[in-house]
Amino acid sequence: QVHLVQSGADVKEPGASVKVSCKASGYTFTNLYVHWVRQAPGQGLEWTGTIGPSGRHTGYAQNLRGRVTMTRDTSTGTVYMELSSLRSEDTAVYYCATEPKDTYGGDAKYFDYWGQGSLVTVSS
Amino acid sequence: QSALTQPASVSGSPGQSITISCTGTSSDVGAYNYVSWYQQHPAKAPLLLISDVSNRPSGVSSRFSGSKSGNTASLTISGLQAEDEADYYCNSFTSSGTYVFGTGTKVTVL
Repeated sequence: QVHLVQSGADVKEPGASVKVSCKASGYTFTNLYVHWVRQAPGQGLEWTGTIGPSGRHTGYAQNLRGRVTMTRDTSTGTVYMELSSLRSEDTAVYYCATEPKDTYGGDAKYFDYWGQGSLVTVSS
Repeated sequence: QSALTQPASVSGSPGQSITISCTGTSSDVGAYNYVSWYQQHPAKAPLLLISDVSNRPSGVSSRFSGSKSGNTASLTISGLQAEDEADYYCNSFTSSGTYVFGTGTKVTVL
């Protein structure tokens, strides 16, 4: 059974930073892109960015560039998303999700397995 | 990158078929066959329903099907069941190398 296990809920003050983790259980995602998607309360899904297998390649949503950093620890198989200069509008559930390989070994451009979500609340 | 446009809500009676549209641009939906669809029940993580416009992963009911014409993709749910009541989101890869989700559609089974 494949599981992506994320860190727990967190409460931060405006201006602070938060770091959310994501680790696979039941399989290895060392050769896969991992994406982060967030969902504000009562709102839709928003893609925030992705990190490649080695950690060298990252791509971020334009509205978060400069505030978001995605990293991965290949020794532990854990992926992290850090968001800085937090604002109230960053309050959301943050999901990690994996992008599988297609039949030719390329990156498939969709998200198959998802973590359980990590609620980040920004409040003073 | 603006969100793809979906109807806010769609409803149908059990057994009926419904279709959810997802309209983008020539830089996303119209550019590639990389449209996927996700189902999300309240307080749950999204679940992949359709990849690459019309491919259904193993384990997903054949009642779900996808298609695309130009800049608009569609998800059809046939034989609507009570358990299909959920939110549905489309997603597309874009020419900028990023991804964009649709605005989301709430499906109600009457």
